[in-house]
Amino acid sequence: GDSVTQTEGLVTVTEGLPVKLNCTYQTTYLTIAFFWYVQYLNEAPQVLLKSSTDNKRTEHQGFHATLHKSSSSFHLQKSSAQLSDSALYYCALSLSNNRIFFGDGTQLVVKP
Amino acid sequence: EAAVTQSPRNKVTVTGGNVTLSCRQTNSHNYMYWYRQDTGHGLRLIHYSYGAGNLQIGDVPDGYKATRTTQEDFFLLLELASPSQTSLYFCASQFRDNHYEQYFGPGTRLTVL
Repeated sequence: GDSVTQTEGLVTVTEGLPVKLNCTYQTTYLTIAFFWYVQYLNEAPQVLLKSSTDNKRTEHQGFHATLHKSSSSFHLQKSSAQLSDSALYYCALSLSNNRIFFGDGTQLVVKP
Repeated sequence: EAAVTQSPRNKVTVTGGNVTLSCRQTNSHNYMYWYRQDTGHGLRLIHYSYGAGNLQIGDVPDGYKATRTTQEDFFLLLELASPSQTSLYFCASQFRDNHYEQYFGPGTRLTVL
C-alpha cells in the first residue's frame, strides 16, 4: 500500500549545526507530489516546501529537499539550524487521486 | 491566502454524547479533509470530500460521519462519542489536484469524558 515513513520521532540538534530529517515513501502511483509541513507549538500545520520533480532541489526558509524517486526519498535538510526551527515536521505524499499520506512526524528540538 | 475556520475551538462532552465539528473555507477550494492528531500517530485522515454532496472514506473512519453541504462547509459528526475520540481535530482544504498544498484550520480540541 501507499505509505510514508519518518524514521525519527525526535531529532535534537545544537543551534548552528546542520540538520536532516528523513522521509521515505512507498507507492505505485506515477504522478505524485511531496510536501513538508511544519507545525509550531499550538498552531496548525502549514506547508514548508513541496516538489513533484525528480532530482530537483526545492528550497524555502533555508530548508531544502530533493525528491529522489530512485531511492523513494524526500529528506529535509538545513545547513544551520536556528532556535526558531524547533517544531513538529511532517512529510506528506500526495497522490493523483488526491489522497494524501502523512508520516508520523519528527519533532525537531534545536538547543542553544 | 486561504482561510479555513473551525468551530468550536474546544469541546467537552460525555461518553455517548452527540458532537458536530464545523469547518468552513472561503477560497473556493474543491477538496476538504478532516484529520485527527494524536501524539505518536501524527495526522490521520478521517474523511474527505471532492465537493458539495461528495464524501470519501479516509483511514480511520469508524465512529465518524461527515457531510459536505456546500463548497465552503464540511462537518464532522460523532453520534455516540467515546473516550477514544478525545483528540485534536484539524480540517484542511486544497485547491485542486495533488500538486497543491493543503491549508489547515486552527483545530478543535475535543475531550470525551
